[in-house]
Amino acid sequence: DAGITQSPRHKVTETGTPVTLRCHQTENHRYMYWYRQDPGHGLRLIHYSYGVKDTDKGEVSDGYSVSRSKTEDFLLTLESATSSQTSVYFCAISESTTGNTGELFFGEGSRLTVL
Amino acid sequence: GNSVTQMEGPVTLSEEAFLTINCTYTATGYPSLFWYVQYPGEGLQLLLKATKADDKGSNKGFEATYRKETTSFHLEKGSVQVSDSAVYFCALRMGGGADGLTFGKGTHLIIQP
Repeated sequence: DAGITQSPRHKVTETGTPVTLRCHQTENHRYMYWYRQDPGHGLRLIHYSYGVKDTDKGEVSDGYSVSRSKTEDFLLTLESATSSQTSVYFCAISESTTGNTGELFFGEGSRLTVL
Repeated sequence: GNSVTQMEGPVTLSEEAFLTINCTYTATGYPSLFWYVQYPGEGLQLLLKATKADDKGSNKGFEATYRKETTSFHLEKGSVQVSDSAVYFCALRMGGGADGLTFGKGTHLIIQP
C-alpha cells in the first residue's frame, strides 16, 4: 500500500470556523491532489500540486486553499467552513502524469461535517 | 472538456452472475483509462488500467479493454462474489496533464448470496 496518511480522519466543526486537513506521503511522489466525494457527484478535484510550492486550482476550488512547503505534505484549508463543504475529502498522489506510473494512489479519506 | 459516463446503479446481482459495468468517455486525444474500487469506509484502490488502444487491463478476475473506436472501457467479471460488493469508478487521465484523473460518478454494485 502507498504510504499516504490523512489527518484528521473525522472532524465536526461549526460554520465559519477554519479547518485544515493534512496529507502526508512517504513515497516521494511529485504530484499530490485533494478531491472531495459527494453522493451523485463522484470525485471532484479541488486543488493539486506538481511540486513544492507549485499548486493549481481544480474543478471545485472556491472556498479552499492549499499549501505544499515540503514534498511529503499537502495541506487543504477551509478558511471559513460552510455546510456545503460537508463531505469526504481524499488525498491522492502520483509519481508521474503518463503511462504506467500515471495512476493515483489514495488515502483513506477525511470525513468533515460542518454544522 | 474531458468526461466519463457510467451507470450509477445500484446494480444488484446474484453470486456467480456475470458482471458488466459500462463506461464511456469523451476526451480530446488518447487518455489512459482506469477502474478503481471503493469498499465501504475506505479509500479508492486501483483495480486495473490500460494506457493505449486495444490494451486489456485485468486483475482479480476483472477485465476491461480500451476501445478507441467506441470510446469505451467496460468492466467485466465472469462470476461475481459477495466480496465484490463495492462502488466502482471509471476514470481517465490525459498524458502530461498534472491535474489528475477525471472520474465517472461511480457504480454501486451489490452482490447477493
